[in-house]
Amino acid sequence: SYELTQPPSVSVSPGQTATITCSGDRLGDKYACWYQQKPGQSPVLVIYQDNKRPSGIPERFSGSNSGHTATLTISGTQAMDEADYYCQAWDSSTASMVFGGGTKLTVL
Amino acid sequence: QLQLQESGPGLVKPSETLSLTCTVSGDSIISNNYNWGWIRQPPGKGLEWIGSIYYSGSTYYNPSLKSRVTISVDTSKNQFSLKLSSVTAADTAVYYCARQFYGSGSYYNVRYFQHWGQGTLVTVSS
Repeated sequence: SYELTQPPSVSVSPGQTATITCSGDRLGDKYACWYQQKPGQSPVLVIYQDNKRPSGIPERFSGSNSGHTATLTISGTQAMDEADYYCQAWDSSTASMVFGGGTKLTVL
Repeated sequence: QLQLQESGPGLVKPSETLSLTCTVSGDSIISNNYNWGWIRQPPGKGLEWIGSIYYSGSTYYNPSLKSRVTISVDTSKNQFSLKLSSVTAADTAVYYCARQFYGSGSYYNVRYFQHWGQGTLVTVSS
């Protein structure tokens, strides 16, 4: 089965740039998306189709996908960005929606 | 605006069948370019896709759960449902329903969950 790997945790200082990676075999040949989940809340889509932002998502959120790695970048990170982040891709070979294990972003 | 609401028992006994329904409001479940999916999250753990359905009834499931999962749709009620059989404590989780976008043409492999329900906790215990 297809797998996506994320670092369990990432820390960033307020105002700095946070980078969260998601690795998978030839992930760059697929389309990646990212969800933000705050405690006790449902996930929210923050990036889709590798680098597109849904309406209402701040411009400081951006994404890229190439080779074996997709990356979520949060520029000028704010305290409100502290959350768990999950990557997800569609694996056509198994007709499966696949999630990464999640990354806890701490803003300190 | 689009809203999804999960409903069903919060407690299920081991070996029994978990049944949940997702009621969609604010849009028709009969929509092109959308599937309707179920995702779960065990306490303190990550997200796991369970399966998805198109309004026509075509389904696809997580291979690891496929033998125990059935997802169905009732277009007259604008609902879709999940049944998970032979549950164990490992099936204890928050269960979410969501609307899943899928692309067309050269973007056929673009798929993501665009809108989520609030989730419902299902505990498997005797």
